[in-house]
Formats: sequence, C-alpha cells, structure tokens
Amino acid sequence: ETGVTQTPRHLVMGMTNKKSLKCEQHLGHNAMYWYKQSAKKPLELMFVYSLEERVENNSVPSRFSPECPNSSHLFLHLHTLQPEDSALYLCASSQEEVVGHGREQYFGPGTRLTVT
Amino acid sequence: GIQVEQSPPDLILQEGANSTLRCNFSDSVNNLQWFHQNPWGQLINLFYIPSGTKQNGRLSATTVATERYSLLYISSSQTTDSGVYFCAVPIIQGAQKLVFGQGTRLTINP
Repeated sequence: ETGVTQTPRHLVMGMTNKKSLKCEQHLGHNAMYWYKQSAKKPLELMFVYSLEERVENNSVPSRFSPECPNSSHLFLHLHTLQPEDSALYLCASSQEEVVGHGREQYFGPGTRLTVT
Repeated sequence: GIQVEQSPPDLILQEGANSTLRCNFSDSVNNLQWFHQNPWGQLINLFYIPSGTKQNGRLSATTVATERYSLLYISSSQTTDSGVYFCAVPIIQGAQKLVFGQGTRLTINP
C-alpha cells in the first residue's frame, strides 16, 4: 500500500533523545490519525487531525507532540520517552465528508519504536 | 464506550481449509472495517462494510447491523492468509475514531 507512507520504519532511541515520526498521505484525504499498537493490546487512537486542526487528543502524555502542517503530512514528535512507549505507531488517513463522519481509513506501514 | 469482540482469538488451519471469523459490537454503528495485519505490521484494508455482503476473491464479509455482528469468510486458505485479522468500528465524539477488536490470529499451515 503506497497511499500512506511512514518514516522511519524502525527507530531505536534512548529515553533522553528527541526524534520525530513522519507520515505522508497521497490519497487527497482531509483527516489524519496516529494510532499506537502495543504488544497484547488493541490498537489505540492517539490523535486525530481534521482539516489540519487537532480534533482529538486521546489522553496522550505530553511527551508525544503531534504536528499537522498541511493535509498531506503528519508528524509525531517524541521526547523523553519511557520504555513502555515501545510500540508500533501507525498513521492513517480518511476523507471526512461531514465533521465527525469519516469514511474508510487507510493505514501506513507503521514505525516500530524501541525505547531503551 | 462501544465494545468490539472478535472470535476466535486464535485459529490454526491447514492450507485449503475454509474459515469464519466473527466480530460482535455492543452498539449501533454506521460502518465497519475488516483489516489483515501482515507479519511486518502493515494493516491491509479488506472490506468497508456497514451492512450487507461483499466479496473479493476468496474473501467475503457480511455485516448484520441490526444484530450487531459481522463475519469474515476465507475460503481455500493459503499460507499467505496467515496473520492477524481485525475488525474496527467508528465512534463519533467530535471526530471519528476507530475502535478495534483484539483480533483473530490465523495460522495457515502448508
């Protein structure tokens, strides 16, 4: 699936590092999402951006900071993470026709993050 | 909030077998998605199916919205069908978000 791309695919970082995850969608969608998938847990929504405005912050710690500079790009800035933040981070996009009523979501390949 | 339950949690089959995966949800929904997560973590869209039946090759899905369940059928399984299958439903609370089930891990042995 090349509609949604994510970089890097793998990332190892120390607890004092600062890094950023990047997502780009080539589908012309107007909503983008960050999800987290930890071992043994269901995928959890972290953030939603609709028309470049953050409309959902699902009680995520402030060490995760999203940025959506335009409708095609989404970043997740990471700083002072904890080992329990190690997970697969997935980006998705969709076309939201009416606020809060989106359609099919398409996912990127994910970034597998390890915090040491 | 809405609960999404998938069954069975694990399924091991021989190549060529057929399988049925089930997704139950606790509240009314206006759409439902089925995904296949491959061993590298990529979520691949299988079906977007608010109601009714859809077919795509060896796969088909049926959603009965009034009874709050969806079924995914895989016929003539191949080893490449192995992976985790998720269903997800949206909840609208200011912005759409998908709520995922725990997944069914399917293993197809040659």
